[in-house]
Amino acid sequence: QVTLKESGPGILQPSQTLSLTCTFSGFSLSTYGMGVGWIRQPSGKGLEWLANIWWDDDKYYNPSLKNRLTISKDTSNNQAFLKITNVDTADTATYYCARIDIGTTFFDYWGQGVMVTVSS
Amino acid sequence: DIQMTQSPSSMSVSLGDTVTITCRASQDVGIYVNWFQQKPGKSPRRMIYRATNLADGVPSRFSGSRSGSDYSLTISSLESEDVADYHCLQYDEYPNTFGAGTKLELK
Repeated sequence: QVTLKESGPGILQPSQTLSLTCTFSGFSLSTYGMGVGWIRQPSGKGLEWLANIWWDDDKYYNPSLKNRLTISKDTSNNQAFLKITNVDTADTATYYCARIDIGTTFFDYWGQGVMVTVSS
Repeated sequence: DIQMTQSPSSMSVSLGDTVTITCRASQDVGIYVNWFQQKPGKSPRRMIYRATNLADGVPSRFSGSRSGSDYSLTISSLESEDVADYHCLQYDEYPNTFGAGTKLELK
């Protein structure tokens, strides 16, 4: 059974760094073809893809966030991470992590999401 | 970036209707389009993958199709549990891009 769960700070101030953790089970990021992606959704709005990391440590980022994103993984502990630097109120959103299986498709399993508010 | 132009943005529907939602890709994305259902306060749920494949556990009244750069999600004989938001995604190229979403509302 594949499960994912996001965790984060809940609230942070502008200019701080947002650190998110995705803890998963039922698959391994050391297995060929597996990956984890991060997607966010401001309240009442659409989904925005942020970044993907693959089993071979390949990483891809949304260029609209320029150089603010860093994705990483801890294969031993079945975790993936996303950092967003210099946050602004526009980064207020629910953040999701989701599994990628190159053999089938992207984002077949999703976490429950974690709400992050950026406010002074 | 590849744009996924999703239409309509909202739709007023009745139970039993056949509903079709479309995403038009700004360039060729092949079969690499997924459809997701999202209910209020919940995570997206994959419904269709690789344009036409029904995900496990998804009712057969859902189907996906492709005509050129147009990708469609069709719900036949709409049930109350199908009232939700729907999103398309292209993952042929980076950055992966979602459509703006379609909100189904009951008349």
